[in-house]
Amino acid sequence: EAGVVQSPRYKIIEKKQPVAFWCNPISGHNTLYWYRQNLGQGPELLIRYENEEAVDDSQLPKDRFSAERLKGVDSTLKIQPAELGDSAVYLCASSFRNRNSPLHFGNGTRLTVT
Amino acid sequence: KQEVTQIPAALSVPEGENLVLNCSFTDSAIYNLQWFRQDPGKGLTSLLLIQSSQREQTSGRLNASLDKSSGRSTLYIAASQPGDSATYLCAVPNDYKLSFGAGTTVTVRA
Repeated sequence: EAGVVQSPRYKIIEKKQPVAFWCNPISGHNTLYWYRQNLGQGPELLIRYENEEAVDDSQLPKDRFSAERLKGVDSTLKIQPAELGDSAVYLCASSFRNRNSPLHFGNGTRLTVT
Repeated sequence: KQEVTQIPAALSVPEGENLVLNCSFTDSAIYNLQWFRQDPGKGLTSLLLIQSSQREQTSGRLNASLDKSSGRSTLYIAASQPGDSATYLCAVPNDYKLSFGAGTTVTVRA
């Protein structure tokens, strides 16, 4: 089966610029997650979707971050404006809506803000 | 808040040696625990998922055990190979939100 696809793989932007990341989950997976991973740390959840509904966005910095999952398939995560501290790897994952269903991750987007 | 700890942070072993990776968590009210592998510049690959009703799970050379009462899980990798070099992370759920450890970076020397 095709895995979780993310683009772009790398992005370098200057601070205060906007940036967007795209994710295509595994076909049939209702649940989609966006995680952020800082160097040397484990991923931390930003937002979780069940179909097109954001059911947990408590960790999303809403002043500058936004996300959408139109039609309950692909998702986009946006940062506007970016700050130096946003430099990290942004990972998308998907799973079936079953709490014992393993998560499948994409290869991530490495963001560098200069 | 669930805290997940992995010790050691890094490990280097000669090829053929068995690997033992540790994971501890503070809240034992979990319904599963997952082990992931992460290669440099890549995403996470799910290795094993142990449900709370299980004590261990096996896949090839990998075996993971779970002791909920003591808040511990161990990942064993038998007869390590250079291709096993990667970072291994464990994660426990809190209502669908996974809490990850920082990982153990393994280097297997040929």
